[in-house]
Amino acid sequence: GENVEQHPSTLSVQEGDSAVIKCTYSDSASNYFPWYKQELGKGPQLIIDIRSNVGEKKDQRIAVTLNKTAKHFSLHITETQPEDSAVYFCAASNPHFGNEKLTFGTGTRLTIIP
Amino acid sequence: NAGVTQTPKFQVLKTGQSMTLQCAQDMNHEYMSWYRQDPGMGLRLIHYSVGAGITDQGEVPNGYNVSRSTTEDFPLRLLSAAPSQTSVYFCASRGEKLFFGSGTQLSVL
Repeated sequence: GENVEQHPSTLSVQEGDSAVIKCTYSDSASNYFPWYKQELGKGPQLIIDIRSNVGEKKDQRIAVTLNKTAKHFSLHITETQPEDSAVYFCAASNPHFGNEKLTFGTGTRLTIIP
Repeated sequence: NAGVTQTPKFQVLKTGQSMTLQCAQDMNHEYMSWYRQDPGMGLRLIHYSVGAGITDQGEVPNGYNVSRSTTEDFPLRLLSAAPSQTSVYFCASRGEKLFFGSGTQLSVL
């Protein structure tokens, strides 16, 4: 089955700086890669996603890049703000098993230092 | 529009007890699922359903049962709770995107 590795497990950045979180996946057939943000005491919330026919997607300060050849994708947050502090999860899904069966990374705790 | 609603938010059980975690969604989504979240392990799929009357196992189904009698509801049953089932449980439903509930924190003593 699919295996998703996520790095780093913790990340601290100065407010205003950029943050990058990286994930690798094992199944070359995977074609959907969402990113979730989880605030303390809440459920994960989808913040951006990308499909394998696209190399990059951007939404304001958040962007995701995908390298299908290397089987890795990354989340980029620019001009970080205190409200960006949270745990971020990447995920991947293989259409053979249905896009419902997401495999998640182990999460990155991002702390923005004021 | 409430989205995905989970109850209870917190629960403490003794080993061997049974209980049902409730999940309801009001978005008319066919797909619903249950995940458990453990430190350092991300979210792991327990069971999922692609529509009323249809359920299937995920990555970690042992010790859990599910049923899907209506589109709106997808309860998760622990038949005989074990300390290894101490975790945070999330229900999710999917239209184009996957939406999560706010979670149930379960402790089994």
